[in-house]
Amino acid sequence: DSGVTQTPKHLITATGQRVTLRCSPRSGDLSVYWYQQSLDQGLQFLIQYYNGEERAKGNILERFSAQQFPDLHSELNLSSLELGDSALYFCASSVQGSPGETQYFGPGTRLLVL
Amino acid sequence: AQSVTQLDSQVPVFEEAPVELRCNYSSSVSVYLFWYVQYPNQGLQLLLKYLSGSTLVKGINGFEAEFNKSQTSFHLRKPSVHISDTAEYFCAVSDPNNAGNMLTFGGGTRLMVKP
Repeated sequence: DSGVTQTPKHLITATGQRVTLRCSPRSGDLSVYWYQQSLDQGLQFLIQYYNGEERAKGNILERFSAQQFPDLHSELNLSSLELGDSALYFCASSVQGSPGETQYFGPGTRLLVL
Repeated sequence: AQSVTQLDSQVPVFEEAPVELRCNYSSSVSVYLFWYVQYPNQGLQLLLKYLSGSTLVKGINGFEAEFNKSQTSFHLRKPSVHISDTAEYFCAVSDPNNAGNMLTFGGGTRLMVKP
């Protein structure tokens, strides 16, 4: 158990819908990351937050947005869902979000868009 | 831009045999290197990482990796595998000069340990 929690574990929805994925980092970690794992694209970095502020941005679609709240939990919002958004979404956390820090991954949220 | 290539998508091996999982990276700058393992239906767990210093890095569960700058490689090795090592292994890089800590992953290598 990494200490990172993600809810829900599974999500099934329809095209065009909007969903919110939630992540709670390890106790004491200030930085959270979101990754997408799909058969087509592999594991891709989406976005990183540190203490509520965006720190790095990767291949995140405009239909996707994220934020980190004052209590340090984070939410990833996916809207206008398409079939291709079906994937496993991981959240990770680390202490300061600095280069080289170990990232601790949650168990993931499996999203299926029908 | 950085990229990571894991040359083998699947590696079958018998229990107690040695194994090497290959990883090559492409970067015009210095890099930090990582190996993560993903067991079925679980998140990723760090096996080991190279930041600086000795090029031979020892990790958890008996794994080690060697950083080779001239060959831009970071191959993962274990002298004797167990059935429980069956999992997907990911090599990743990050840029020490970035403000953030984003990881760029390779495509993964599925290690299948047979009895």
